[in-house]
Amino acid sequence: DAGVTQSPTHLIKTRGQQVTLRCSPKSGHDTVSWYQQALGQGPQFIFQYYEEEERQRGNFPDRFSGHQFPNYSSELNVNALLLGDSALYLCASSLGTDLDLAKNIQYFGAGTRLSVL
Amino acid sequence: AQKVTQAQTEISVVEKEDVTLDCVYETRDTTYYLFWYKQPPSGELVFLIRRNSFDEQNEISGRYSWNFQKSTSSFNFTITASQVVDSAVYFCALSEAPHRDNYGQNFVFGPGTRLSVLP
Repeated sequence: DAGVTQSPTHLIKTRGQQVTLRCSPKSGHDTVSWYQQALGQGPQFIFQYYEEEERQRGNFPDRFSGHQFPNYSSELNVNALLLGDSALYLCASSLGTDLDLAKNIQYFGAGTRLSVL
Repeated sequence: AQKVTQAQTEISVVEKEDVTLDCVYETRDTTYYLFWYKQPPSGELVFLIRRNSFDEQNEISGRYSWNFQKSTSSFNFTITASQVVDSAVYFCALSEAPHRDNYGQNFVFGPGTRLSVLP
């Protein structure tokens, strides 16, 4: 049973560039959430995708955008990179098709470490 | 607004000692979930335990146990007979329950506690 996979594992960009990070959810999951984790801090919620739509968003600027594909995989795009965007970006998947609260466990990938120079 | 506080930044124990990680949360929701995740150096957050707001029964699962007290908004996590492999950063997280007007879920994480278990 494949877990959550993210690519690439590491990425180096310069200020002003754009970046795309990718995530494949755990088998059977249909919901993908993205988090930003700065060094020494807890993960911060960016947004969540379900049925190819963004259904909840954290306190992040519009430079952060995403997409979910019909196969439930997802991309996180960040435009006009800033030095402060350097962080570990984590993807989490869950099953969000109903109100069964027992299914709200989020399973995380190993993340993509983004360095902005 | 939801908030999770982990006052212990770093803890060091010697192998086989018991260790308790503290977590205090804030929420105005009546239905919510609390989680503990472990993050080893590899970076992947590993799910450990979950408790819902209606169940204050404390349980033991192997070497892990937790103490959930709604009266003090605390959800503490204990590792019994710690091992070197338990060394990691531990995060407490809070999630509101989804409802018909908002299926979205936002996990709010604490800042983490770095546990070092020395041989």
